[in-house]
Amino acid sequence: SQKIEQNSEALNIQEGKTATLTCNYTNYSPAYLQWYRQDPGRGPVFLLLIRENEKEKRKERLKVTFDTTLKQSLFHITASQPADSATYLCALHPTGGGNKLTFGTGTQLKVEL
Amino acid sequence: KAGVTQTPRYLIKTRGQQVTLSCSPISGHRSVSWYQQTPGQGLQFLFEYFSETQRNKGNFPGRFSGRQFSNSRSEMNVSTLELGDSALYLCASSLWGTEVQETQYFGPGTRLLVL
Repeated sequence: SQKIEQNSEALNIQEGKTATLTCNYTNYSPAYLQWYRQDPGRGPVFLLLIRENEKEKRKERLKVTFDTTLKQSLFHITASQPADSATYLCALHPTGGGNKLTFGTGTQLKVEL
Repeated sequence: KAGVTQTPRYLIKTRGQQVTLSCSPISGHRSVSWYQQTPGQGLQFLFEYFSETQRNKGNFPGRFSGRQFSNSRSEMNVSTLELGDSALYLCASSLWGTEVQETQYFGPGTRLLVL
């Protein structure tokens, strides 16, 4: 069956360091992959999208890589700040129509001073 | 532009009751998707509506249903509530919801507690 795995353990890093979050998937052929941020009590907020034929995407301090051979995406936040503390979700969109996203369970990131 | 709004924000029901949740998408958006979020299962896709028609459906029992109105507003209904239906129900809207990638904008969610 299709499975998306993200580190279930919280990731604690110091301010200014680079945070790296992992998203692994199996039995899936995504057309593209998205990363979202979710704060407590709020809905997810879209951050970045990367297509299956793209290796890397950047937006300000964020960088996403997508390796369809390894079936893995890495999400990097450089120069992390306490305000980056949140849960980060990866979501896969399959080839085919419609808006049926499959989400990972998310990784909680805490950036400490 | 106003974001996605969901009502009510919080709801407490008892087992066996039914509930209706409402979602107003961003103006001009025609695709509305619903998701259930629980600590154990994470975010799971329920269904998607476009132009008043259900276009995609997740793996949920028939107790979960929805509809979309001509103004793109959407409702979802859960009948014969079970304790396991306690969750955060999220609605997301996008312009067309087609293969061409679009950003989905999520609402704040409705937190449902079933006692």
